[in-house]
Amino acid sequence: GAGVSQTPSNKVTEKGKYVELRCDPISGHTALYWYRQSLGQGPEFLIYFQGTGAADDSGLPNDRFFAVRPEGSVSTLKIQRTERGDSAVYLCASSLNLGKGTQYFGPGTRLLVL
Amino acid sequence: EDQVTQSPEALRLQEGESSSLNCSYTVSGLRGLFWYRQDPGKGPEFLFTLYSAGEEKEKERLKATLTKKESFLHITAPKPEDSATYLCAVQAEAAGNKLTFGGGTRVLVKP
Repeated sequence: GAGVSQTPSNKVTEKGKYVELRCDPISGHTALYWYRQSLGQGPEFLIYFQGTGAADDSGLPNDRFFAVRPEGSVSTLKIQRTERGDSAVYLCASSLNLGKGTQYFGPGTRLLVL
Repeated sequence: EDQVTQSPEALRLQEGESSSLNCSYTVSGLRGLFWYRQDPGKGPEFLFTLYSAGEEKEKERLKATLTKKESFLHITAPKPEDSATYLCAVQAEAAGNKLTFGGGTRVLVKP
């Protein structure tokens, strides 16, 4: 079946601009996660949703970052006033439910802030 | 704070030369330890989940083991297609469902 999909695959923007990154989870998966991966490092947790609500947003670095999942399926990660340090790969994952559910990752969105 | 350290950072192997990757962790109550494979430009691909010390899992040339402080990923008689970055992650009982990742081990298998 279809895996996690993310759009766009690449995004180049200028410092100070606003960007939206989209994640479409595996059908039927109720939990959705966002991670950020810098070059040569492992992914770092940002936020996760159970259904429509953010169950844990402790990884969001500051208030420029915000994520929504209004209908409990597709999620959008929003970054305001982008900075060069926001350049990274943003990964989305989904799992069947919370607890011991395996997280399956999408291909990521490569964000470059000039 | 939950921590995961992977070693070595990089590993160069000849085809057929078996080796092991280490993942050391400190966590306040382990719910699960996960191994992923990541190819350049792609997202992590799930390999294994281990839940308790003494548990082992195998898939083709890969075998993962778990103790109370570390996990090993053994690669037996590797092939060039096993070249990838291998990521280890822990899920803590007290930390909800988030994964804490190590920095990964980049494996290159030469023919």
